[in-house]
Amino acid sequence: SQQGEEDPQALSIQEGENATMNCSYKTSINNLQWYRQNSGRGLVHLILIRSNEREKHSGRLRVTLDTSKKSSSLLITASRAADTASYFCATDGDIQGAQKLVFGQGTRLTINP
Amino acid sequence: NAGVMQNPRHLVRRRGQEARLRCSPVKGHSHVYWYRQLPEEGLKFMVYLQKENIIDESGMPKERFSAEFPKEGPSILRIQQVVRGDSAAYFCASSQLRGLVSNEQFFGPGTRLTVL
Repeated sequence: SQQGEEDPQALSIQEGENATMNCSYKTSINNLQWYRQNSGRGLVHLILIRSNEREKHSGRLRVTLDTSKKSSSLLITASRAADTASYFCATDGDIQGAQKLVFGQGTRLTINP
Repeated sequence: NAGVMQNPRHLVRRRGQEARLRCSPVKGHSHVYWYRQLPEEGLKFMVYLQKENIIDESGMPKERFSAEFPKEGPSILRIQQVVRGDSAAYFCASSQLRGLVSNEQFFGPGTRLTVL
């Protein structure tokens, strides 16, 4: 079954606006991570939030986690053209030794100048 | 401060040939993961290895695919008798686990395999 699922699948906004992406998952987790992927490139780790945390900030990024709803959101404030990329959430399981990450389909974010 | 290195970055094979993808983890990392990404999709877990051990291969196709992480040298993902459906980007990640508190994985740039 699909674990992380991002919403929306695609988002297009004007430079300077805020971008919000959501992620839902199905099973219990240890951590949830957000990654960015520029077209044709590898993944860049953005932020990790643990299951006992509710909110985390890193620069222009704000991540929230609601384990009761099994959902997370990534907010990028004051967006820039360079933020254009695909954004993925990834979860790992709460079973000891279950280290694999399960990725969603991603949100393709386009920032228009 | 080298990150995860993968080579080749691009690989073209004809149907029936073998593909070998190499991954060198971050220095000091002893855990390696392989993921596959089809166009317009997210990454799908394939296999998790520690030095000389396969820990979890639940995402690996049963046939034609194998992986290893020897005591010395890079991790290798091997695909025998490639078919067009194997065309994808293959990403390697590594981590240095500190207990089970966090599992930040560092990704390589990927190998883009094209099967003609």
